[in-house]
Amino acid sequence: GIQVEQSPPDLILQEGANSTLRCNFSDSVNNLQWFHQNPWGQLINLFYIPSGTKQNGRLSATTVATERYSLLYISSSQTTDSGVYFCAVGSNYQLIWGAGTKLIIKP
Amino acid sequence: NAGVTQTPKFRILKIGQSMTLQCTQDMNHNYMYWYRQDPGMGLKLIYYSVGAGITDKGEVPNGYNVSRSTTEDFPLRLELAAPSQTSVYFCASRSTGDTQYFGPGTRLTVL
Repeated sequence: GIQVEQSPPDLILQEGANSTLRCNFSDSVNNLQWFHQNPWGQLINLFYIPSGTKQNGRLSATTVATERYSLLYISSSQTTDSGVYFCAVGSNYQLIWGAGTKLIIKP
Repeated sequence: NAGVTQTPKFRILKIGQSMTLQCTQDMNHNYMYWYRQDPGMGLKLIYYSVGAGITDKGEVPNGYNVSRSTTEDFPLRLELAAPSQTSVYFCASRSTGDTQYFGPGTRLTVL
């Protein structure tokens, strides 16, 4: 099956810093999504991005499907950005989830 | 729109007991999913449905059953609870070409 690797596993930054999270996957996919799980456990969708680039405020994502990776950029980090960021890849029916990047933003 | 709702929020079961986790969405989504999340891990797909009357297994279906009699509801049944089923369970839904929307989760402990 498809393997999904996220890096780094942990990231600690000061408020205001920028960060790049990476997601590598082992096979062609037609579905790739980024999610944020906040410290209370709530899962929030960020991007549906099987290819190309999207931006939403301070967050943006790029997927290079031919090279099997996706990047999530967070600019001017805020403490509310803390939590775990998951990449999930697959088909229209099933998603395989990475183990996540745990992000801590210090004030 | 309430989005995706799940009940109960918390539950403690004894080994061998049964229960049903409820999931309802009001967005008229055709796809619905059940995941489990163990501590420090990503989500694993238990079952999914592409529409009323159609369900299929995900990565970890053993010990669970589902049904989808309506577009809105997708209950998950645990027949004989085991300690290995202690986890947080998330229900999600989506429409074609869109991202998944998640419920708040059910924290289940089996003792």
